[in-house]
Amino acid sequence: KNEVEQSPQNLTAQEGEFITINCSYSVGISALHWLQQHPGGGIVSLFMLSSGKKKHGRLIATINIQEKHSSLHITASHPRDSAVYICAVPGADGLTFGKGTHLIIQP
Amino acid sequence: EAQVTQNPRYLITVTGKKLTVTCSQNMNHEYMSWYRQDPGLGLRQIYYSMNVEVTDKGDVPEGYKVSRKEKRNFPLILESPSPNQTSLYFCASSSGVNSYEQYFGPGTRLTVT
Repeated sequence: KNEVEQSPQNLTAQEGEFITINCSYSVGISALHWLQQHPGGGIVSLFMLSSGKKKHGRLIATINIQEKHSSLHITASHPRDSAVYICAVPGADGLTFGKGTHLIIQP
Repeated sequence: EAQVTQNPRYLITVTGKKLTVTCSQNMNHEYMSWYRQDPGLGLRQIYYSMNVEVTDKGDVPEGYKVSRKEKRNFPLILESPSPNQTSLYFCASSSGVNSYEQYFGPGTRLTVT
């Protein structure tokens, strides 16, 4: 079973700061998911990436398959970015999740 | 609108009283899965289904049952709930086990007293 580690567990930052969340995993994979869980509890997919970098608005995700590491960056952070960010890796029977990073952006 | 629905959204029950949490998707997805989310432990898979009549255990299946009689529905059954099953539950679906789009239901917050 793949072990998925996220850091930091908690992150509080000021509006406008550049945010980085890290995810590492133990077994080689073909792709990785980043998910966002809103304060109300709902979970949405942000990215699935298998190499290089993907960008969606102010969110950028990168992955290094050889180093078994991915990062999620948020540029010009805003209070509405406050959420739990979860990385997940695919396996034979479904996803294995990191424990999440609880991000709070203060105005 | 593509969606996964769960009912109920909130439930408080007592130990031993059988309950069912329903999950339905309208995207004709083959793969469906149940997860529970607990503080400090993250999301853990309970059961999953690759297709109709095909179900299998995830990481934490004890105390749960599922069925997949129709493609759209994947109910989670707690035959005799216990307090350690107090948790936030999510149903999810996708076109394949590792497809790009993973759709999650809104969650069911269950409290067992």
